[in-house]
This record gives sequence, structure tokens and C-alpha cells, in this order.
Amino acid sequence: AQSVTQPDIHITVSEGASLELRCNYSYGATPYLFWYVQSPGQGLQLLLKYFSGDTLVQGIKGFEAEFKRSQSSFNLRKPSVHWSDAAEYFCAVGPMDSNYQLIWGAGTKLIIKP
Amino acid sequence: EAQVTQNPRYLITVTGKKLTVTCSQNMNHEYMSWYRQDPGLGLRQIYYSMNVEVTDKGDVPEGYKVSRKEKRNFPLILESPSPNQTSLYFCASTPTAGAEAFFGQGTRLTVV
Repeated sequence: AQSVTQPDIHITVSEGASLELRCNYSYGATPYLFWYVQSPGQGLQLLLKYFSGDTLVQGIKGFEAEFKRSQSSFNLRKPSVHWSDAAEYFCAVGPMDSNYQLIWGAGTKLIIKP
Repeated sequence: EAQVTQNPRYLITVTGKKLTVTCSQNMNHEYMSWYRQDPGLGLRQIYYSMNVEVTDKGDVPEGYKVSRKEKRNFPLILESPSPNQTSLYFCASTPTAGAEAFFGQGTRLTVV
């Protein structure tokens, strides 16, 4: 069955420290891969996406993610977090055909310690 | 400004009282969908629409209806809301398969 796993429900990081949020997927073919961020009381905003090509993808707000086909992973990273990065982060995968449906992870809530 | 607009943002209602949450997009996107977000479950798709008059069930369609009479609008209808439909609802639109989904601000629904 197709699925997306974000193994960490919560992550607490000190301001200025590095961050890595994990995302693993189970999918029959190479999918489109996305990371979205949801700030408190807000909708979801796209951080970055991977379709093909370079497996290291740069996104907004200083985030990057690396697609590792052998590990079926698409982990999100940031070298130095800011207090404004406190939010919930969602990984999603979608098919590379005409079906628009996305499969979502359960989300990881990022808490920033001052 | 390109956007997806949901109304209302907050709604408290009683069991069994029909309600509609509206969703409108101004980007001429063909694909629209509704999700509910519950703690620990991420986003679950309720219904989606590939184009006008074309709708289909998502993963959790029970208790919901949708319609797509115009390309820009995709209302979510709860004919007889129940407390287990208390949730945060998001509407989203997508221009093409694999492209970025644009989300509304969300509607927090409480059914008592």
C-alpha cells in the first residue's frame, strides 16, 4: 500500500541549531515529493518539491531536502533554525501520471527552544 | 492575488443542522479537493474534483457531499453533521498533476 511515514511526531531544537525532519515513503514508482509547512492558524505553504534531476532540492526559507531513492526517503534539512520556523511540517508524495492525488504524512511539529 | 478562499474560518454548529463550507479559487485550476486535518492523522482527502461536474470520493467521504458546478467553486456540504466531523478542513486547488497544491486558510468546524 502507498504510504508516507514521518516517524517524529514532535521535534524540539534549540534556536540556531541544525534540523533534519525525516520522511519515508512506500510507493510503486518514483513519485513527486513535496514538503509543506503549516504555521499556527494558517493554511499549508509549499516549502519545496522534487520532480526529477538533482536529488538535492532547495526551497524557501533556507530549507533543503534530499531525495534518496535507495532509502525511499526525502528528508528536510535546515542548517540553522530560527524561532519563526516553529510550525508543523508535512511530507507528501504524488504520482507522476494524470492522477492529482497526494498521499500525506501525519506531520512533524517543530518546537524551537530559545 | 492568486488565492483559495474558504468561508467561514470558524463554525460551531449543532448535530444534524445542515451546513456548507464554501471554497473558491481565482487561478483557473482544474483540480480541487477537500481535506480534513486531525491530530496525529495528517491530512485525509474527503472528495476531489478533476473538473466541472467531475467529482470523486477521497479516503474519508462518508457524511460529506460536494458539487462542482463552476470551475472556481467547490463547496463542501454536511447534510447532517455529527460530532465526529469536528475537525479542521482545508480546500486546495492544483493546476496540473504533480504541481503545487494551493491551500485555503482552513475552516475549524465544531459540531456539538
